[in-house]
Amino acid sequence: KQEVTQIPAALSVPEGENLVLNCSFTDSAIYNLQWFRQDPGKGLTSLLLIQSSQREQTSGRLNASLDKSSGRSTLYIAASQPGDSATYLCAVESNSGYALNFGKGTSLLVTP
Amino acid sequence: DAGVIQSPRHEVTEMGQEVTLRCKPISGHNSLFWYRQTMMRGLELLIYFNNNVPIDDSGMPEDRFSAKMPNASFSTLKIQPSEPRDSAVYFCASSSQISGNTIYFGEGSWLTVV
Repeated sequence: KQEVTQIPAALSVPEGENLVLNCSFTDSAIYNLQWFRQDPGKGLTSLLLIQSSQREQTSGRLNASLDKSSGRSTLYIAASQPGDSATYLCAVESNSGYALNFGKGTSLLVTP
Repeated sequence: DAGVIQSPRHEVTEMGQEVTLRCKPISGHNSLFWYRQTMMRGLELLIYFNNNVPIDDSGMPEDRFSAKMPNASFSTLKIQPSEPRDSAVYFCASSSQISGNTIYFGEGSWLTVV
C-alpha cells in the first residue's frame, strides 16, 4: 500500500524567507503527484500537478519537483508571505489505481 | 463554474440518527470521490465513482455507510445509524481527463455526532 509522508509536520518562518516542504512516498509506480493547500475550515485547493514523466512544475512563487526513483517530491515557496499560511498536502496517484493517497500535511505559518 | 458543492456544511446530530451528505460535482467531470478527514488519520478515501458507477468502496468503514450516485450531477453519502466516532469532515471531490486529472474538492461537510 502506498504510504505518503510529509516532513516537517509544522513550520514557522518569517515573511520573505524561501522554504521547502518535503514529501516522500513508498511506491515509485505513480501516475502523478499533486500538491494541495488547505485553509482552516475549507476544502483543498490544487496547487500543482506533476505527471510521472515530468520532473517539475511551476506556478508563480511555487515550484514542485518530483524524483520518482527516490520516492520524493519537494514544494519550494519563494519569498513567503503571511497569506501563504495554510496546511500543504501532498498526494500521490498510483499506476494501479485512481484514488489519491494523501500525506498528513505540513502546517505552515508565515509571520509578518 | 461553481465548483464542487456540498451540503450541509455543518451538521450536529445525536448518536443513532441517520445522516445524509450531498454532493454536486463539477459539470462534465466523470469521476467522483468521497473522502473523510480526521486529525488522527488524515484524508481517507471512502468510495470512488466513475461514470456514476461505484468502482471502489473498500474504504467505506462498515455497513453503516452507503453511497449512491443516481446521475452525473448528484451523489449522497449516508450514515445509518451514526456514531460519535463518525465525527469528521467529509469531502466530496471530482475530476476528469478534461481537467487533466486535477481533482477539485468541495468545502466539506463538518459532521459532529454527540
